[in-house]
Amino acid sequence: DTAVSQTPKYLVTQMGNDKSIKCEQNLGHDTMYWYKQDSKKFLKIMFSYNNKELIINETVPNRFSPKSPDKAHLNLHINSLELGDSAVYFCASSQGGQFRGSPLHFGNGTRLTVT
Amino acid sequence: GQQVMQIPQYQHVQEGEDFTTYCNSSTTLSNIQWYKQRPGGHPVFLIQLVKSGEVKKQKRLTFQFGEAKKNSSLHITATQTTDVGTYFCAGDNYGQNFVFGPGTRLSVLP
Repeated sequence: DTAVSQTPKYLVTQMGNDKSIKCEQNLGHDTMYWYKQDSKKFLKIMFSYNNKELIINETVPNRFSPKSPDKAHLNLHINSLELGDSAVYFCASSQGGQFRGSPLHFGNGTRLTVT
Repeated sequence: GQQVMQIPQYQHVQEGEDFTTYCNSSTTLSNIQWYKQRPGGHPVFLIQLVKSGEVKKQKRLTFQFGEAKKNSSLHITATQTTDVGTYFCAGDNYGQNFVFGPGTRLSVLP
């Protein structure tokens, strides 16, 4: 009965490969996010979807493509992986969008290592 | 753009000592949230502050929102080893942006 679940937990891959991370939330929230946390622990928003519609797209390389088949799922596909993509990627969800001050519920994270 | 800073970056305390982390925004905030991330874990929401000068308490944790709504603090009284982790503030700039601070990493020596 995990609220926000993402898979896989660990992902080790070589440069140039394509990989996907999946996220699902069972909280009934309207908004889902992808955050990147680098080795210095900085949390940076990458994308935000509200009811399957993209509402935030920060300056992220277009090798990163989010997909939201429904409001309970937000997947992240990454093409042509680079060393600098190594980080922990967190999926999160909230009731009514960050801008309304709704708390974020984070998944357990996916630790991506690109070699 | 909006910047959110936190100090200190790291804090090492002896168990039983108090701890405070400060969060400062370059712009006025509509609200501020605090999160805690245990080592190897994910950020967990602690609290949200909305009103100017607001003070909220959760057991040994005291959260304050500045009068000008540009700064906030988290104070932990008599730290315990379970308090170890990174504490993040996150500020909402009236819908223009929502930014996490860089975090304060707390270690508690038993």
